Amino acid sequence: DIQMTQSPSSLSASVGDRVTITCRASQSITTYLNWYQQKPGKAPKLLIYAASSLQSGVPSGFSGSGSGTDFTLTISSLQPEDFATYYCQQSYSMPYTFGQGTKVEIK
Amino acid sequence: EVQLLESGGGLVQPGGSLRLSCAASGITFANYALTWVRQAPGKGLEWVSVLSDSGATAYYADSVNGRFSISRDTSKNTLYLQMNSLRAEDTAVYYCAKSPRGGWPPGLYGMDVWGQGTTVTVSS
Repeated sequence: DIQMTQSPSSLSASVGDRVTITCRASQSITTYLNWYQQKPGKAPKLLIYAASSLQSGVPSGFSGSGSGTDFTLTISSLQPEDFATYYCQQSYSMPYTFGQGTKVEIK
Repeated sequence: EVQLLESGGGLVQPGGSLRLSCAASGITFANYALTWVRQAPGKGLEWVSVLSDSGATAYYADSVNGRFSISRDTSKNTLYLQMNSLRAEDTAVYYCAKSPRGGWPPGLYGMDVWGQGTTVTVSS
């Protein structure tokens, strides 16, 4: 199975900050990488698919980059509604494993 | 509007069985791969199983392989997860989710619609 490792596991940031979360795969997954946002008690929401494609309806402040084994999710200017947990997921080979999550908290 | 609605969760003893359902509306059910994802209390997301749009191909996480079975009834627009030999570590919220496009494998586009989840508790 492909292992996905996110860093950091948590971070504290202020509204307006630029935030970067990284995700590393244990082997190359080309660009088969998705990012999800999850708020407490809610289902995950797809933000980015294919490493850098913005899902319809997602604010343009979110962006993704990377290929191979190293990927990044960037929030250009953190908004109050962006405080949540973020997960990467590889969809290159079954099982489509998730990273352990990055919790973005208010500083 | 596309909606997925899970049901069937509850409290079950270790070794017991449970069948989860995921009813879809607003989509032609047979055109999409459908996935079960779970989340243990306070933990991250775990991919559990996927069924192809044709219904002919299924994959399972190692943690549930041989105990869980995914299936669907296209006439009812419903996806199922039959869970047998349940263990305490199967305790979780179970979500169903769909891929945004048809075809197989479903991976490139992620999962764009999720249900609200149903809670399974395995405890004596």
